[in-house]
Amino acid sequence: SAVISQKPSRDICQRGTSLTIQCQVDSQVTMMFWYRQQPGQSLTLIATANQGSEATYESGFVIDKFPISRPNLTFSTLTVSNMSPEDSSIYLCSGGGLEAFFGQGTRLTVV
Amino acid sequence: AQSVTQPDIHITVSEGASLELRCNYSYGATPYLFWYVQSPGQGLQLLLKYFSGDTLVQGIKGFEAEFKRSQSSFNLRKPSVHWSDAAEYFCAVGARGTGNQFYFGTGTSLTVIP
Repeated sequence: SAVISQKPSRDICQRGTSLTIQCQVDSQVTMMFWYRQQPGQSLTLIATANQGSEATYESGFVIDKFPISRPNLTFSTLTVSNMSPEDSSIYLCSGGGLEAFFGQGTRLTVV
Repeated sequence: AQSVTQPDIHITVSEGASLELRCNYSYGATPYLFWYVQSPGQGLQLLLKYFSGDTLVQGIKGFEAEFKRSQSSFNLRKPSVHWSDAAEYFCAVGARGTGNQFYFGTGTSLTVIP
C-alpha cells in the first residue's frame, strides 16, 4: 500500500487569492488524481496528473483555474486559482496502482 | 458511461445489528470495485476491493462485499455493527484501462445508535 501525505490539511483564504495543495506519495506511482468533494457530496474527479505531460482535465474543470504540476513520480500539486466562496470544498489527491490510496484531504474555506 | 449508484443516502442501525449498504454500477465490462469509508474530517480509507475471482471479498474491520454480475451490484455487509463504524461510505468503480480513474457513488451516511 502507498501512504499519501497532503498539505495543508486546511486553510481559510481570501477570495481572489490562490492556494497550492501538495501531495507526496511514499512510493512511485504512474498516475495521480485530484478530486473535489463539495460539502455533503461525493468525490468529483478534477484531473489526472501525468508525469512528463500536461494534466488531463474532466469536463467542467480547466487548467487556468486548477493548474496541476507533476514534476516526478512521487509528487504533485494542485493550485486553486482566483478563489471564490464556491471553491470551498475538500480537495483530495490519490495515487496508486490498481487500488487508489488517498491523502487526508485539504479542507478549503474561501471567505 | 460509467456510473455508481448508492440508493441509500442515510442509514441508521443499532449497535450489534447487521448492516448492508447497497451499490449498483454501470460499466461496459467487469470493473474494479471498491468500498471506501470516510470518517468526519478524514480522508478515504479503503475497506475492500474486487478485481476478479471469488465474488465474496473480505475487507478490514469485519466488512465483506459480494459482487453480483447479474445484478451489477457490489453490496457491503457487516454482521455486527460497532459504534465506531459510524461514517460515510463510498462505493467506487475503477475503470480498467484508463489509468485507474475512479467513479464514486454519492455515499451512504451510517449512524449507529446504542
